[in-house]
Amino acid sequence: DAKTTQPNSMESNEEEPVHLPCNHSTISGTDYIHWYRQLPSQGPEYVIHGLTSNVNNRMASLAIAEDRKSSTLILHRATLRDAAVYYCILRDSGGYQKVTFGIGTKLQVIP
Amino acid sequence: DAGVTQSPTHLIKTRGQQVTLRCSPKSGHDTVSWYQQALGQGPQFIFQYYEEEERQRGNFPDRFSGHQFPNYSSELNVNALLLGDSALYLCASSLTAGQNYGYTFGSGTRLTVV
Repeated sequence: DAKTTQPNSMESNEEEPVHLPCNHSTISGTDYIHWYRQLPSQGPEYVIHGLTSNVNNRMASLAIAEDRKSSTLILHRATLRDAAVYYCILRDSGGYQKVTFGIGTKLQVIP
Repeated sequence: DAGVTQSPTHLIKTRGQQVTLRCSPKSGHDTVSWYQQALGQGPQFIFQYYEEEERQRGNFPDRFSGHQFPNYSSELNVNALLLGDSALYLCASSLTAGQNYGYTFGSGTRLTVV
């Protein structure tokens, strides 16, 4: 399974944009990049995913490097409710999947 | 639309006992995966079920077993509990293994082994 690398923690001021990086240098051509976040005492929540092109949804944007070896999750205006652990994972587009989660990035939002 | 439902929410067991955790997937989802999450760690993949068969398995001993029923719900069984099995157990459902869809996770079952 391809692995991802994320910073252990990040801080952001409330109402400012947040850029959460993820490195996945061993990504294969059929791997999709998925982001999840986990609030305290809850299960992970799907945020966004993409393959090659940048993606936007109501929660966030995903910017994918041209060589696909890194990606960035962008929260346009951080709120206190965005304080969570953010996980970047890779999922192959075919077959049954043994998805691996790392430690993730713990985002602290400062009022 | 109900999401993933897990039961019980909390459980305390004694070392050596056996435990069964239950999961009802999101409506329309047919694939269930189970994860173990120790405190401060990311979720670790246990196994995945599709069409009532185990399709993928993580690095967990045979003490961990599961089952999927015709209605897509699933159970996770752990035998001969160890103190180290204390963790949050998460169930995730998705639509059709082999397709690229997001997982929907339940809130988990907090298992404490004493």
